[in-house]
Amino acid sequence: AQSVTQLGSHVSVSEGALVLLRCNYSSSVPPYLFWYVQYPNQGLQLLLKYTSAATLVKGINGFEAEFKKSETSFHLTKPSAHMSDAAEYFCAVTRGGGGNKLTFGTGTQLKVEL
Amino acid sequence: DAGVIQSPRHEVTEMGQEVTLRCKPISGHNSLFWYRQTMMRGLELLIYFNNNVPIDDSGMPEDRFSAKMPNASFSTLKIQPSEPRDSAVYFCASSLKVSGKMYNEQFFGPGTRLTVL
Repeated sequence: AQSVTQLGSHVSVSEGALVLLRCNYSSSVPPYLFWYVQYPNQGLQLLLKYTSAATLVKGINGFEAEFKKSETSFHLTKPSAHMSDAAEYFCAVTRGGGGNKLTFGTGTQLKVEL
Repeated sequence: DAGVIQSPRHEVTEMGQEVTLRCKPISGHNSLFWYRQTMMRGLELLIYFNNNVPIDDSGMPEDRFSAKMPNASFSTLKIQPSEPRDSAVYFCASSLKVSGKMYNEQFFGPGTRLTVL
C-alpha cells in the first residue's frame, strides 16, 4: 500500500521568502507522486507530478519538487513566495504501472505574510 | 471548455433526509471519482468508476452511501438516511484513462458542501 506524510499542517512564510512544504512517501512499488493546490472554496488543481522521468519536476506558478528515493521524499519548493500562493497544498501518491487511485496526505495550509 | 460540474454547491438538510449529489464529468473522460473532505479525516476516495462501471468502492463508509453512473456524462452520490457526521465537502473528479499510459491526471470539480443538521 502507498501513503504520504506531510510534515506541518500549517506553514507561514513572508512574501518573497522561500517556500518549502514537506512530503514523505511510503510505497512498496515505484510510486507516482503529485502535488495539488486547493484555493478557498475550490476544487484541487494539479501543480506538478513525478512519474519516474526526471527527478526534478517543474510545475505551474513557479513551483518545483524533487524526488529523492534515498530519503523517500518529494518536497515542494518555490524560491519566492507570493501572496497569491496562500492556499492548502496536498501531496498524493499512486502506484506506478497504471494505477489511478490517489492517496492524499493531510494537507499543509500555506500562509504568506507581508 | 467546461470542467467538472457539481451540483448543488451547497446543501443543508436535516438528519434522516435523503441527499443526492450530482456530478457531470469532463466530456470524453472515462474515469470518475468521488471524494470526501473533512477536517478530521482529510481527503478520502469513496468510489471510482471506469467506463461507468464501479471499480473500487472500498472507501464508501456505510450502506447508507450509494453511487451510480448511469451514463458517461452523469453520476450521483446518494446518502440515505443522512447523519450529522456526513457533513463534509464532497468532490467529484474525472480523468481520461488511456491504455498504456501510466497515469492520467484527475480534474476536480468545485465540490458540494453538505451540512446535515
